[in-house]
Amino acid sequence: GQQVMQIPQYQHVQEGEDFTTYCNSSTTLSNIQWYKQRPGGHPVFLIQLVKSGEVKKQKRLTFQFGEAKKNSSLHITATQTTDVGTYFCPMEYGNKLVFGAGTILRVKS
Amino acid sequence: DGGITQSPKYLFRKEGQNVTLSCEQNLNHDAMYWYRQDPGQGLRLIYYSQIVNDFQKGDIAEGYSVSREKKESFPLTVTSAQKNPTAFYLCASSISPGLARYTGELFFGEGSRLTVL
Repeated sequence: GQQVMQIPQYQHVQEGEDFTTYCNSSTTLSNIQWYKQRPGGHPVFLIQLVKSGEVKKQKRLTFQFGEAKKNSSLHITATQTTDVGTYFCPMEYGNKLVFGAGTILRVKS
Repeated sequence: DGGITQSPKYLFRKEGQNVTLSCEQNLNHDAMYWYRQDPGQGLRLIYYSQIVNDFQKGDIAEGYSVSREKKESFPLTVTSAQKNPTAFYLCASSISPGLARYTGELFFGEGSRLTVL
């Protein structure tokens, strides 16, 4: 079946450090979405990217969609303890969103 | 307020028993989904429905059943055939992919945590 490759699986950073997670697909995507799930919570939508090379910013979060529409990244500048959680980049295959294991972010204060 | 409601939040059952998890939405979304999440893992799709009275199997449908008799409701039954049912179950909804070029934002419920004793 379809697979979502996301790296790293886990990252532990000092508060104030930057953080980046990457998603890769073997096929060209029509779009990509990003979600955040706090510990014990449910996934919450962050953003959807649809255009080749698209870059979108939300405060300290920067989202990028690759030129070939096969990869995407989420960069967090100066992490805070509120950034703790798991970040997912589900990919769409045939009207289904396929989630990978995500990247778990822990922030040391 | 518009949203998606799952119940119960916590559920315990004995082996061999069927259990039904409720999912209701008032967002007027056509599409609804059930995902399963195990500790430290991603979400795996169980079933999804893009329109009333129609649904499709996801990647791990064995041991589960669903119905979609009303637009706002998409209950999931975990049957005794499901070998390892202890997990966190998440229901979601979105606008129908048929009305857009791609699936829109998923709105998730707060989840139901099932434990089999």
